[in-house]
Amino acid sequence: QVRLVQYGGGVVQPGGSLTLSCATSGFTFSSYGMHWVRQAPGKGLEWVAVIFYDANYRYYADSVKGRFTISRDDSSDTLFLEMNSLRADDTGLYYCARVAYCRGGACYAELDYWGQGSLVTVSS
Amino acid sequence: EIVLTQSPGTLSLSPGERATLSCRASQSVSSPYLGWYQQKPGQPPRLLIFGASHRASGIPDRFGGSGSGTDFTLTISRLEPEDFAVYYCQQYGSSPWTFGQGTKVEIK
Repeated sequence: QVRLVQYGGGVVQPGGSLTLSCATSGFTFSSYGMHWVRQAPGKGLEWVAVIFYDANYRYYADSVKGRFTISRDDSSDTLFLEMNSLRADDTGLYYCARVAYCRGGACYAELDYWGQGSLVTVSS
Repeated sequence: EIVLTQSPGTLSLSPGERATLSCRASQSVSSPYLGWYQQKPGQPPRLLIFGASHRASGIPDRFGGSGSGTDFTLTISRLEPEDFAVYYCQQYGSSPWTFGQGTKVEIK
């Protein structure tokens, strides 16, 4: 069965860095696009970043552009989110999620499987 | 950026009642690349509806989606106790991908 297991997270000071991991199994990781979505405490869902199956296309929310980097390692079926210059408003639960399918080189589809979430707290 | 506005913010209903949730987009959602997710406390979101009207695998038929262009609706025909949760719409047809702010369905 499809599994997305997240690692990383923790408490970091403003301006610090952190990397989240999302280890996947149960599907051919290299054929799927992947997203990161976050949720501030008590708030709604906010899209963060996406990487298409071939890693040639990566898109970011304006709020994280230039600070966060999404990447993937198809040899280990793992997705990453490297977060730099962290701010207090980056605090929240970060989810990885799989795009249901990619077609014609693009990955515009619903998010059908989600990780359990990684808590990131940015505080001095 | 396509802004999604969900209404109402909170829906107070009793089990067995019908729930109607709205999601309005600031511009037309192509294809339509519109999905609905359910989130319960302490859990990740769960896909309910994709392509505006198609139920995801394992989703009961009391959940239905409709709409096109800029106006979309999620309907729960008869609320079960496990349906009380927060519901989000999402457009995935253009960057940036965006979510609505959510509608909480609570027990009256």
